[in-house]
Amino acid sequence: NAGVIQTPRHKVTGKGQEATLWCEPISGHSAVFWYRQTIVQGLEFLTYFRNQAPIDDSGMPKERFSAQMPNQSHSTLKIQSTQPQDSAVYLCASSFTGGADAETLYFGSGTRLTVL
Amino acid sequence: GDSVTQTEGLVTLTKGLPVMLNCTYQTTYSPFLFWYVQHLNEAPKLLLKSSTDNKRTEHQGFYATLHKSSSSFHLQKSSVQLSDSALYFCALKMPNYNVLYFGSGTKLTVEP
Repeated sequence: NAGVIQTPRHKVTGKGQEATLWCEPISGHSAVFWYRQTIVQGLEFLTYFRNQAPIDDSGMPKERFSAQMPNQSHSTLKIQSTQPQDSAVYLCASSFTGGADAETLYFGSGTRLTVL
Repeated sequence: GDSVTQTEGLVTLTKGLPVMLNCTYQTTYSPFLFWYVQHLNEAPKLLLKSSTDNKRTEHQGFYATLHKSSSSFHLQKSSVQLSDSALYFCALKMPNYNVLYFGSGTKLTVEP
């Protein structure tokens, strides 16, 4: 089991450019989560999919951020017109949604986004 | 709303000393509480979890007890090691909902 895979590990964009971040959850996990990590804010929840359906996007900045899960093996987080304040580590996590281990989130190593 | 508070941003200790990292929470539900640990340049990993009031849970020398009366889930270890240097996050989950809400984190540095 390779764990949650996130690509790329690092991404540098210019202000105003688009950034797409990829996540491959653990096989068999039906829940996928996106978090943003900064020194100031810590780990902020962005959005959550269950069985590929969007369940909760209450943490997503509405105007420039979007997330999709087109199939059970990957999810994407897209940031349009990136701004310097978007610079952060974006973490993807997956979990089961039932059973004894349902509460445990398994995180990927993250994508470090730097907006110049 | 539901929230988690970690009061210490930075904790620096000498190897061999005990540590307690504070975690308190606010929710109207009966929650699950978690501690995640993140070593430098690594993914956060589950350290402990509990939903049972007044029951101590232990893993890798760390322990915590969920006290619903005081809404707390403090993380403790009796003797820290250099390898314990990491970021520690407390997190809260409501029943029947999968999202974890994290505190701001505590950076623990253990010195020789």
